[in-house]
Amino acid sequence: QKEVEQNSGPLSVPEGAIASLNCTYSDRGSQSFFWYRQYSGKSPELIMSIYSNGDKEDGRFTAQLNKASQYVSLLIRDSQPSDSATYLCAVCGYKLSFGAGTTVTVRA
Amino acid sequence: NAGVMQNPRHLVRRRGQEARLRCSPMKGHSHVYWYRQLPEEGLKFMVYLQKENIIDESGMPKERFSAEFPKEGPSILRIQQVVRGDSAAYFCASSPAGEDQPQHFGDGTRLSIL
Repeated sequence: QKEVEQNSGPLSVPEGAIASLNCTYSDRGSQSFFWYRQYSGKSPELIMSIYSNGDKEDGRFTAQLNKASQYVSLLIRDSQPSDSATYLCAVCGYKLSFGAGTTVTVRA
Repeated sequence: NAGVMQNPRHLVRRRGQEARLRCSPMKGHSHVYWYRQLPEEGLKFMVYLQKENIIDESGMPKERFSAEFPKEGPSILRIQQVVRGDSAAYFCASSPAGEDQPQHFGDGTRLSIL
């Protein structure tokens, strides 16, 4: 079993819709969780961090964490073409374990 | 620029040469991490360093790869006798001290082996 698994995608959504990204992890002791956005040919950019069960909202982004189910998700509301990128779920002990990423395309 | 600084951005080497990749962490960050991203693959952890200490190198290939973070100066990832399979993007990230701190990435070094 991979340490971090993401829904494989690619995910195509129309502009203005909600994009939903899912991630599960295997290490029940994990305490911190991050979502990174990576544009093609660029470096990962931290967009959300979440440490406690529940929802965390930041602008159009909402991260949800359920430690009992070992599940973390990211919702992108009112998707824009500029949101088109690969989204990486990362779980941290001290080193980050990344999922393979989900490529999102927002259709204008 | 207060971000993580990596250089060079692009590096071309012939098989058998050495590659040196440099990383200066963000101001105030004392922890440095190196990751490798092979074409069409995900990011893989290589090594975690603090000043003058290698904390975890479990992701480093056993041969030809080494890393350091000296008391003064940038962190260095060194690849000796490069082979075609070393072609990848190498990213450095840094974080403040303390558990579970978010890591911020540099722009990466794209290494190409001829």
